[in-house]
Amino acid sequence: SAVISQKPSRDICQRGTSLTIQCQVDSQVTMMFWYRQQPGQSLTLIATANQGSEATYESGFVIDKFPISRPNLTFSTLTVSNMSPEDSSIYLCSVHVRGTQYFGPGTRLLVL
Amino acid sequence: AQKITQTQPGMFVQEKEAVTLDCTYDTSDQSYGLFWYKQPSSGEMIFLIYQGSYDEQNATEGRYSLNFQKARKSANLVISASQLGDSAMYFCAMRGSGYSTLTFGKGTMLLVSP
Repeated sequence: SAVISQKPSRDICQRGTSLTIQCQVDSQVTMMFWYRQQPGQSLTLIATANQGSEATYESGFVIDKFPISRPNLTFSTLTVSNMSPEDSSIYLCSVHVRGTQYFGPGTRLLVL
Repeated sequence: AQKITQTQPGMFVQEKEAVTLDCTYDTSDQSYGLFWYKQPSSGEMIFLIYQGSYDEQNATEGRYSLNFQKARKSANLVISASQLGDSAMYFCAMRGSGYSTLTFGKGTMLLVSP
């Protein structure tokens, strides 16, 4: 299995500001994934982060809005930039370990 | 393209009863994996059970079992002897061959009453 931690666990932010979410895994992994879950909805993949290369974004998500860093094999950050109330969601990082996909505890973001 | 369908927005069950949560999927991949996750109100996604498309036996993990019917493309989750702590949102998800990302269904809210 994998143990994943995220910081912060929750935050309330003002529109127009940015928030950086950190994800730490207890083992080295090639890919880390960032998902968004809007209120009452299912999970949607934002991007896949590989160490040493640019993240790969899904349709509808762009690097300027959701810049991602992946400095090593156990850590990644997702920034939500120039936030609006529509960005209020749970953001989850995820890793793939021996055939199973594990998720962090999530960051619950409220934008006012 | 892959698709997961969960047709039950909500399910109610009494404590100690068994409950089945439905999940059907659509894919053209020959090799794929099916997952179930539990999401309590805290928001975390808890991995419950995994079934590979080539696994001949249905997966089981404690009180959870996956009723895998490949020809019908269904992967229902069975929870035996429900407990109050089972009240949560349950998501079915799929990973196709060559993909590392998951496609999720819309989820089923399970409420367990005393």
